[in-house]
Amino acid sequence: KNEVEQSPQNLTAQEGEFITINCSYSVGISALHWLQQHPGGGIVSLFMLSSGKKKHGRLIATINIQEKHSSLHITASHPRDSAVYICAVGTSGSRLTFGEGTQLTVNP
Amino acid sequence: EAGVAQSPRYKIIEKRQSVAFWCNPISGHATLYWYQQILGQGPKLLIQFQNNGVVDDSQLPKDRFSAERLKGVDSTLKIQPAKLEDSAVYLCASSSLGQARNTEAFFGQGTRLTVV
Repeated sequence: KNEVEQSPQNLTAQEGEFITINCSYSVGISALHWLQQHPGGGIVSLFMLSSGKKKHGRLIATINIQEKHSSLHITASHPRDSAVYICAVGTSGSRLTFGEGTQLTVNP
Repeated sequence: EAGVAQSPRYKIIEKRQSVAFWCNPISGHATLYWYQQILGQGPKLLIQFQNNGVVDDSQLPKDRFSAERLKGVDSTLKIQPAKLEDSAVYLCASSSLGQARNTEAFFGQGTRLTVV
């Protein structure tokens, strides 16, 4: 069993839909990161959080430390949101452990 | 602020050849990471540097992979000889690890390696 599990693996949505991607982890963490990876390979950090909720534009990230679970929400989704979304947890020594990623496709 | 720079962006080599990747982290970032990302999987840490010292290289295949970070700034990752299964995106990331442990990592664009 991976230390970081994401669901779903693949997600297809219509433009405008509300999207949720889930992440569960099994280790003690110092912080959880949500990352976005476009087809070219580069990764962009969306959020880093250790408690509660953060919002940036149409993106919202929440974390429940007791349940070891985090969600990434996208409101009013748009085709440009199509990318791979990766959950990563920071453990001891600032090492990041990554989930397998969720491939999101938003159709116009 | 300039981001993490990597080169080359793409590389195609034959198996058993050698290849090297270069990374220039964000200025002032003490911590540098090299990750390997095989298609369809999440990145896997190969090696972590703190300044010019190695913090974690437990998942680096040391029989064929090597990395160095001279003067605690730029880093190179080498594969010699390459195997077909080394085909992947190699990502470099850096972070400013200070008193706080929760520091954001900044990623480069990656180098996509294809071994044929």
